[in-house]
Amino acid sequence: AQSVSQHNHHVILSEAASLELGCNYSYGGTVNLFWYVQYPGQHLQLLLKYFSGDPLVKGIKGFEAEFIKSKFSFNLRKPSVQWSDTAEYFCAVKGNNRLAFGKGNQVVVIP
Amino acid sequence: NAGVTQTPKFQVLKTGQSMTLQCAQDMNHNSMYWYRQDPGMGLRLIYYSASEGTTDKGEVPNGYNVSRLNKREFSLRLESAAPSQTSVYFCASTQEQGVIGELFFGEGSRLTVL
Repeated sequence: AQSVSQHNHHVILSEAASLELGCNYSYGGTVNLFWYVQYPGQHLQLLLKYFSGDPLVKGIKGFEAEFIKSKFSFNLRKPSVQWSDTAEYFCAVKGNNRLAFGKGNQVVVIP
Repeated sequence: NAGVTQTPKFQVLKTGQSMTLQCAQDMNHNSMYWYRQDPGMGLRLIYYSASEGTTDKGEVPNGYNVSRLNKREFSLRLESAAPSQTSVYFCASTQEQGVIGELFFGEGSRLTVL
């Protein structure tokens, strides 16, 4: 079964700073990759996804992620964060018809 | 746009009590899932139903049972609640049958077991 690792569980940064969240997975087969976001008190929403094609994926709200197959990674980035980006971010990997989630990154953006 | 609806949103139980969490989706999705979310643990799959009439265990099925009542509804039952089942429970659905694409989540059910 696949597994997903997210590092730096708690991230605190100021508005306009750049954000990068790491996601590494272990699975040898074909994968589909996702980032979900959970704003305070809300349910999870899809931020972006990668199925095939261009490994640089652009999502909503200025987020992007890059799939690097050789590194088994799918890191999330945003050049300039806003206070409204305060949320928990989850990487998820689908392989062999099962979806595995990472433990999440709690991101707090200070105005 | 109702999407995925879960009830109840909040529940407090005493150890040993039973309860059922209800989930319904109005998107005509084939597959439905129950996850639990605990601090620092991410989301862990309890049970899923790839299609109407089928259910399968996920990572943490012990202490739970599920019923896929029809295509719309997928319920999660705790027969004898334990404090370790204190958590936030999310129901989710996806269009694909047995193949996971984008998941659509409900708003969650916060359960406390005393």
